[in-house]
Amino acid sequence: KNEVEQSPQNLTAQEGEFITINCSYSVGISALHWLQQHPGGGIVSLFMLSSGKKKHGRLIATINIQEKHSSLHITASHPRDSAVYICAVSEPNTDKLIFGTGTRLQVFP
Amino acid sequence: ETGVTQTPRHLVMGMTNKKSLKCEQHLGHNAMYWYKQSAKKPLELMFVYSLEERVENNSVPSRFSPECPNSSHLFLHLHTLQPEDSALYLCASSLQRGGSDTQYFGPGTRLTVL
Repeated sequence: KNEVEQSPQNLTAQEGEFITINCSYSVGISALHWLQQHPGGGIVSLFMLSSGKKKHGRLIATINIQEKHSSLHITASHPRDSAVYICAVSEPNTDKLIFGTGTRLQVFP
Repeated sequence: ETGVTQTPRHLVMGMTNKKSLKCEQHLGHNAMYWYKQSAKKPLELMFVYSLEERVENNSVPSRFSPECPNSSHLFLHLHTLQPEDSALYLCASSLQRGGSDTQYFGPGTRLTVL
């Protein structure tokens, strides 16, 4: 079992739908990261959080430290949101990020 | 040019070749990373450099040899690779070392070993 699990693995949606991607982890962490990877490979950091909730545009990330769970929400989804969304956690006092396998999202017009 | 750049973007090499991947960051960061992304597997950390000093070597085979001549440049020297080494190799940088700093990724080098 991976230390970072994401669900679902694949997700399709119609434009405008509200989307939720989940991440569960089994280790103690200092921070959790949400990343976006477009076809072609480039990765962009969306959020880094250690508690509560963060919002950027149509994206919202939440984390529940007690339950070791985080969610990434996309409101009013758009075809340009189609990408792989990756959850990663950092353990305290290490340089290492532990990555989930990603959730592939496709938003159709 | 700003951000993190990587060259080449695509590389095909034979098992007996020697090649190098280059990464450059123009963000003034002190930490740089090499990651490997194989199909259907999570990203794997290979190496971490902080202020040009290697601080983590994540059990990577010796056929991969990193070099960090200064805080802006990072190389990955490749020799006698195996077909299973075919993957996307990503470079990243962060202001300081440690997983609690946002990492900025380059576009990656897609490597194919024949």
